[in-house]
Amino acid sequence: SQTIHQWPATLVQPVGSPLSLECTVEGTSNPNLYWYRQAAGRGLQLLFYSVGIGQISSEVPQNLSASRPQDRQFILSSKKLLLSDSGFYLCAWTVGGQFLGEQYFGPGTRLTVT
Amino acid sequence: SQKIEQNSEALNIQEGKTATLTCNYTNYSPAYLQWYRQDPGRGPVFLLLIRENEKEKRKERLKVTFDTTLKQSLFHITASQPADSATYLCALDIEEYGNKLVFGAGTILRVKS
Repeated sequence: SQTIHQWPATLVQPVGSPLSLECTVEGTSNPNLYWYRQAAGRGLQLLFYSVGIGQISSEVPQNLSASRPQDRQFILSSKKLLLSDSGFYLCAWTVGGQFLGEQYFGPGTRLTVT
Repeated sequence: SQKIEQNSEALNIQEGKTATLTCNYTNYSPAYLQWYRQDPGRGPVFLLLIRENEKEKRKERLKVTFDTTLKQSLFHITASQPADSATYLCALDIEEYGNKLVFGAGTILRVKS
C-alpha cells in the first residue's frame, strides 16, 4: 500500500533562517506531487506541484522554492524565512497521468516563524 | 474573478440528523468535484469524487450532488454522529490549468449528542 511521510512534524524557526521540509512517498511510481500551505482557519493554498523529476510548477510568488531530486521525494525550501511563512504545510500525491483523481495528503508540518 | 465558497459559519446539528454542506463556485468549469474531511492538525482525507456528468454519488452515509447549471455541490451526511465532527473541504479539478485542485476554505461541522 502507499504511504506518504513528512518531516518534521513541528518546527519553530527564527525570521531569516533557512528552511527545508521533506516529503517522501512509498508504494507508487511517478506520482504527481504537491506542496500546500494552510493558514489558521483558511483553505489550502497550492504552492508547488511536480509531474516528474526536476519538473516544478510554482503557483504563487514567494520566497519559497521546491525541488524533486528523486521520483518519490519532494522538498520545500527557503533561504530566509519571513513571519508570513508560518502555517501548516502539507505534501500530497496523486497517481500520475492526465486524470487527476483523489489526492493523498501527508500528516503535515506545523511551521512557526518567530 | 474565480471563487469557491463554502459556508463560512460552522454548522451545528444534533446527532441523528442529516447535515448538508454547500459548495458554490463561480467562473470555473470543473470536470470533477471532490470532497475531503480534515480533522484538526491533520491532512485532509479524500471522501468522494463526482464527475460533471453525474448528478449524484453515494458512499455509505454520504451523498454528493453536483449541479453544473447552478454551479453548486451539496454534501450530505445522513444519521450524523459526533465522530463526523470535522472540517469538510470541497475541491475543483481545474483541467485547463493542468494537474491540480483548487480548494474551498471548508465548513466546520459539529455534531452534538
